[in-house]
Amino acid sequence: GDSVTQMEGPVTLSEEAFLTINCTYTATGYPSLFWYVQYPGEGLQLLLKATKADDKGSNKGFEATYRKETTSFHLEKGSVQVSDSAVYFCALSDRGETSGSRLTFGEGTQLTVNP
Amino acid sequence: DVKVTQSSRYLVKRTGEKVFLECVQDMDHENMFWYRQDPGLGLRLIYFSYDVKMKEKGDIPEGYSVSREKKERFSLILESASTNQTSMYLCASTKRRWETEAFFGQGTRLTVV
Repeated sequence: GDSVTQMEGPVTLSEEAFLTINCTYTATGYPSLFWYVQYPGEGLQLLLKATKADDKGSNKGFEATYRKETTSFHLEKGSVQVSDSAVYFCALSDRGETSGSRLTFGEGTQLTVNP
Repeated sequence: DVKVTQSSRYLVKRTGEKVFLECVQDMDHENMFWYRQDPGLGLRLIYFSYDVKMKEKGDIPEGYSVSREKKERFSLILESASTNQTSMYLCASTKRRWETEAFFGQGTRLTVV
């Protein structure tokens, strides 16, 4: 079945540092890929997405590129802020006939940014 | 803005109790989902529904059931709560069957004692 693997956390960075959170996936079909973010005390919200190979999703300074050859969708940001402290989830949706828009999530990576 | 509302933020229930978690969305979305969130395990799908009165099992349906009597409301039922069901429960919705952006509620943290 489908699966998503994220880099182990937690991750602690200083403000303005470069961020990478690794994500790799296994899927039988041709999935769409997502990053969701969960701020403290809140539900998840979509950060960015990519629906086909070589697409780059971007939002709020975060970027991720859909790499079919390496089955990866790594999240990057050039300069993190304290307000980026949150849990980040990589996810996929294989859009299959029986699965529709159900999402498969990775384990989540806790990011803490210190001033 | 789409709003997904879960009826409780925090619940404490006793072992063996029947527990109802309610979720309502206000944007006429077709699809609704219940996930469970545990540290180190991410989110795991319990049940989902593509239409009123229909339901499908997710990856971990054991010990749970659901009800969708109206399009906007999707209830998760713990038939006989156990301590291993202590967790954060998240409801989500998507507009159409193959719509890929999910909208989440704030979550219900359930503690079973």
